[in-house]
Amino acid sequence: DAKTTQPPSMDCAEGRAANLPCNHSTISGNEYVYWYRQIHSQGPQYIIHGLKNNETNEMASLIITEDRKSSTLILPHATLRDTAVYYCIVRVGGNAGNMLTFGGGTRLMVKP
Amino acid sequence: EPEVTQTPSHQVTQMGQEVILRCVPISNHLYFYWYRQILGQKVEFLVSFYNNEISEKSEIFDDQFSVERPDGSNFTLKIRSTKLEDSAMYFCASSDEQGRIWTYEQYFGPGTRLTVT
Repeated sequence: DAKTTQPPSMDCAEGRAANLPCNHSTISGNEYVYWYRQIHSQGPQYIIHGLKNNETNEMASLIITEDRKSSTLILPHATLRDTAVYYCIVRVGGNAGNMLTFGGGTRLMVKP
Repeated sequence: EPEVTQTPSHQVTQMGQEVILRCVPISNHLYFYWYRQILGQKVEFLVSFYNNEISEKSEIFDDQFSVERPDGSNFTLKIRSTKLEDSAMYFCASSDEQGRIWTYEQYFGPGTRLTVT
């Protein structure tokens, strides 16, 4: 699976949009971009995934650049409960046995 | 909303003892996983399991580890002879097949904190 690069930490004001970047310049055509988060030693929580189109669900939006070499996770109105470590993971689709490879992620601190 | 559950939430054991960590995956899911996270470190993949067989395993998953689906609902991780370095949070996860065939997002349980003394 392709490697990802994320900033180690970011701050965001409560109520503002949090934009978390991820670089995956070596991504292959059959690899999806997944985002998970981990709130203080809880189990990782699936947020969203995408292949090449932008995606939106009730939790977040995912913007993938046209060349697919980078993406941005957007939390439109961050709350204190969104404080967590956010992981960007690139993984081949179509094989359920494939593991998720977690990097260091971005520690997002949402401040009042 | 269905969720993955794990028991116990915290297990303390002595070095050399056997432990069994239990997980109940989401009921219609067919793919099961174990991960671990040593305090302050990254989440690491251990093993994936499908159709009563191991699909994939990492280098961490050596002969001391085994997994089993003893019945239609439970999925267990056994560590035969625990070592101090096995102390970690162990997360179970499951994923489904229907409706999202190509992506298999994984849903994680709350974890079991294993402390080996």
